[in-house]
Amino acid sequence: KQEVTQIPAALSVPEGENLVLNCSFTDSAIYNLQWFRQDPGKGLTSLLLIQSSQREQTSGRLNASLDKSSGRSTLYIAASQPGDSATYLCAVMVESGAGSYQLTFGKGTKLSVIP
Amino acid sequence: KAGVTQTPRYLIKTRGQQVTLSCSPISGHRSVSWYQQTPGQGLQFLFEYFSETQRNKGNFPGRFSGRQFSNSRSEMNVSTLELGDSALYLCASGTLWVTNTGELFFGEGSRLTVL
Repeated sequence: KQEVTQIPAALSVPEGENLVLNCSFTDSAIYNLQWFRQDPGKGLTSLLLIQSSQREQTSGRLNASLDKSSGRSTLYIAASQPGDSATYLCAVMVESGAGSYQLTFGKGTKLSVIP
Repeated sequence: KAGVTQTPRYLIKTRGQQVTLSCSPISGHRSVSWYQQTPGQGLQFLFEYFSETQRNKGNFPGRFSGRQFSNSRSEMNVSTLELGDSALYLCASGTLWVTNTGELFFGEGSRLTVL
């Protein structure tokens, strides 16, 4: 059974700092890995998607890496801003038979960026 | 391009009642999946539908059911509500063809409170 762990559970940093969020998963047979952002009471916003054959993806100040063999991914946020405050969720997509796929999520890292 | 639309956004029910939630996927997306988010368990997979067929179901009791219509819109139903069913129910749509990235797009969710 796939399990996804995110460390730390919460993180508070001053504005402008660079930071790294960690995600680990137990089964390397993944289709892709996705990072999402969730604001309080809201749905999920997709940030970055890394295919299983890729090593990293970048979007603006965000960079995500994937090491499938070790079951790890990191999300790097450069020059953090108060608007980055949110919960960040890591999810791995696995094939579940009959052509179906499902996401297994970590519990998230709650990020607070202090002005 | 319109995103994933979920209705209703908020609802309050009492124990023993039933509830139906609706999800309209992004135009052209034929896969719709449902997730339950609670503070204790995080995000958990409920089921996935593709072309009106349930392809996969998570580890939830039979009180949780769903269906998908020919226009890809989906509904999920929870019967005999329990206090523990209080959660944010999220719907996600995607194409999930074999050549596709597998990216899922989430709606804003339906917040269910059971009293």
